[in-house]
Order: sequence, then structure tokens, then C-alpha cells
Amino acid sequence: DAGITQSPRYKITETGRQVTLMCHQTWSHSYMFWYRQDLGHGLRLIYYSAAADITDKGEVPDGYVVSRSKTENFPLTLESATRSQTSVYFCASRGGNTIYEQYFGPGTRLTVT
Amino acid sequence: ILNVEQSPQSLHVQEGDSTNFTCSFPSSNFYALHWYRWETAKSPEALFVMTLNGDEKKKGRISATLNTKEGYSYLYIKGSQPEDSATYLCAFLYGGSQGNLIFGKGTKLSVKP
Repeated sequence: DAGITQSPRYKITETGRQVTLMCHQTWSHSYMFWYRQDLGHGLRLIYYSAAADITDKGEVPDGYVVSRSKTENFPLTLESATRSQTSVYFCASRGGNTIYEQYFGPGTRLTVT
Repeated sequence: ILNVEQSPQSLHVQEGDSTNFTCSFPSSNFYALHWYRWETAKSPEALFVMTLNGDEKKKGRISATLNTKEGYSYLYIKGSQPEDSATYLCAFLYGGSQGNLIFGKGTKLSVKP
């Protein structure tokens, strides 16, 4: 089915472990984004990508790594998970222009114990 | 740091009431303003993308206006229904026509039957 998907939807991990959250979109959108949602902060941008092999930091990139070897995939890796990274993570994609709407994935709820 | 402010933070109305809320954003270097509707346990869904001063957009009972000179946008809901209960997010484009969105913290609307 066309759209934007995230996996896993729920994840519990321990402090210090590496975790990768997956994001896949089928529209061939050039832009992809990772946000985290926290109480009192709303949606904050972690990393974004303008095209395959082009990534850049957002507002809160520390502790995260991204890659984009293919247009349709944009995985987010927590290299050594910390409790402060417990959050709901949303992936989003957008066509090449800001007059285009941004489409969000269903979210991944990550708990770091 | 650019701020996107939304007010009120939350709103409780009765079914049938009309309501409106505000998004304030920087008035310089304006490119676009997005509105999203975000239901609990779901992902944000795009409502409108507004680019021109004086823009008015409408989708069913929901409409929005834009004033880029003074840096605000209003979202109106006519005859609120319980299914309109959600958080309404606005997002200001930062960094040019291919930049990133900065999200407000949202207005949480609850409509009582």
C-alpha cells in the first residue's frame, strides 16, 4: 500500500543499547524528517534529509544517527539509548516544495528503561 | 530561536459551538504556514498549507485565514462536533522555500456532546 510506515510501532529497550527505528515511504518524496514528541515541547525535529545521501541536523540531534542510502528509507538509530530518549518518534515525508503537505507516519513509541 | 505560539493551549466547547484559535509566527521572511489536525494516538494530518497574505482556506466546517504582515493565522471551526476533538498544530516554514517546519505546541480542542 502507498504511504509512510514506521517500524516497530512499540519498542522497549534498556539504557545503553543501540536501537534503530525504521521509516519507509512509497511516494518517492525527496524530503524526509524525524521528529520526537514530548510533553511540553510539542514536535521537535531531530534530523532531516533533502534527498538520498543528504542529511542534516535538526533541533535535537544529539544521541541520534541517520542515513539515507535509498530515497524511500530513512532509518533513525539511537547509538546508546538513554532514558531521556523515551518518547514517541514520528517520521514524515514531503515533496520538494513547501507548498506540499507533509505526511506523517503512525509513530513509534520508544521506552528506554 | 524562532517561536511559533498557539493560543489557547486548550479549549472545551459544547457540540454546536463555533470556535477559533490563533497561531502567531515571525512576520519576516515568510514562505508558508501549515495547519495540522492531530487526534490522540494517531499521527498529524495536514489541513491547510497557506502561502499568501490574506489567504483563506476552507475544508468542510474548518477554515483558516492568514496575515503574514502581522504574523498570525486563525483557524475556525463552525458548529463543532465531538469528532472535531483533536490537537490543532500550526507550523511555520523556516529557512526558505525548501526549509523545515517549526511547530507550535498546539491547541487541544475537546467538544462535548
